[in-house]
Amino acid sequence: AQTIHQWPVAEIKAVGSPLSLGCTIKGKSSPNLYWYWQATGGTLQQLFYSITVGQVESVVQLNLSASRPKDDQFILSTEKLLLSHSGFYLCAWSLGDWGGAEQYFGPGTRLTVL
Amino acid sequence: GEKVEQHESTLSVREGDSAVINCTYTDTASSYFPWYKQEAGKSLHFVIDIRSNVDRKQSQRLTVLLDKKAKRFSLHITATQPEDSAIYFCAASNNRIFFGDGTQLVVKP
Repeated sequence: AQTIHQWPVAEIKAVGSPLSLGCTIKGKSSPNLYWYWQATGGTLQQLFYSITVGQVESVVQLNLSASRPKDDQFILSTEKLLLSHSGFYLCAWSLGDWGGAEQYFGPGTRLTVL
Repeated sequence: GEKVEQHESTLSVREGDSAVINCTYTDTASSYFPWYKQEAGKSLHFVIDIRSNVDRKQSQRLTVLLDKKAKRFSLHITATQPEDSAIYFCAASNNRIFFGDGTQLVVKP
């Protein structure tokens, strides 16, 4: 069975500090991968997607970057956090057409920037 | 770009009643319309979807209707149960996916 794991579960970070969030998918080969951001009580904003290892497309510029170093791993990072980065970060995967298939979401990482 | 609007920010129904959540979209090229459910404090999980080649899809107590002419789609939940209480997000996609703002469904016993 496929599983999706995100780490850490939650983070409290200072403005200006670096950040690295991770996501791994087990049990699926060559999935499409996505990062989303959800402001508290807000809608979802797709940040990045990746169709294959080493290739990441940016959807929205939020002073964040993403990388896919392995087929089953997706990393979201920034060197300098802003207050506006606070929220709920969700990783998701899908198979087939990257924009036209059911997506499976991870448990998410709650980020608080102070 | 695409804009998805969810008309009801909150919807309250009695257990056993039906609930309907309505969404509209702007991009006629959108061809995939999924719905996701988010329980309090948790992540999203897929509920049901519909593609533009059909106008109706049913899965147990859930039905999705799509009106391409009006650029409108809706989620119908029959015989609601307390465990249906959650935020429901509609979305529209033509490669890139756009989500509505969510509808908080409250099912009262």
